[in-house]
Amino acid sequence: DQQVKQNSPSLSVQEGRISILNCDYTNSMFDYFLWYKKYPAEGPTFLISISSIKDKNEDGRFTVFLNKSAKHLSLHIVPSQPGDSAVYFCAASQTGANNLFFGTGTRLTVIP
Amino acid sequence: EAGVAQSPRYKIIEKRQSVAFWCNPISGHATLYWYQQILGQGPKLLIQFQNNGVVDDSQLPKDRFSAERLKGVDSTLKIQPAKLEDSAVYLCASSFSGTNTGELFFGEGSRLTVL
Repeated sequence: DQQVKQNSPSLSVQEGRISILNCDYTNSMFDYFLWYKKYPAEGPTFLISISSIKDKNEDGRFTVFLNKSAKHLSLHIVPSQPGDSAVYFCAASQTGANNLFFGTGTRLTVIP
Repeated sequence: EAGVAQSPRYKIIEKRQSVAFWCNPISGHATLYWYQQILGQGPKLLIQFQNNGVVDDSQLPKDRFSAERLKGVDSTLKIQPAKLEDSAVYLCASSFSGTNTGELFFGEGSRLTVL
């Protein structure tokens, strides 16, 4: 049972434009959400996170939006740069629980 | 600061053989995780240690997989006997705390191919 879903396996965006990566979850008990970025042959690296008490968190070019009623979050990258080309994983957890549930990833390609 | 170290990076074995993966977490990180990432899927937690104790191994196929973290630092994940479906990247991660609201630091992974 996939509790975190990334329905778009890939996304291509022109350099300088906005990239929007989407993530849906089914478990209403999740209250903390993270995005990880993964380059080929490397482990995932933490990018940005958001707690369920907020609906937006911003860090430079990266902004994560959380819509709890829709059980949906999105990652906005603006402006997109070629170095952003990677696989992006959405992850979710529940305070007090041990597991971090990952989505299947979205491969972002930023075209120069 | 040194990151999470894993070895070997790549391993090819035949089914029914055994394999072991090693992980050295970031110094001072009490929590260590082993994740399995099958091609096209997201990482899935196999086991979580807090110091040298197991916190969660509910997703670990215990008939063939075992893991230990004897001194609360390094960890070893073993598969015996391996099956074709065990082909995956095995990711080790560590964190300062085990609350799951803390950032996980991942190693580069160990890619296993079972023929």
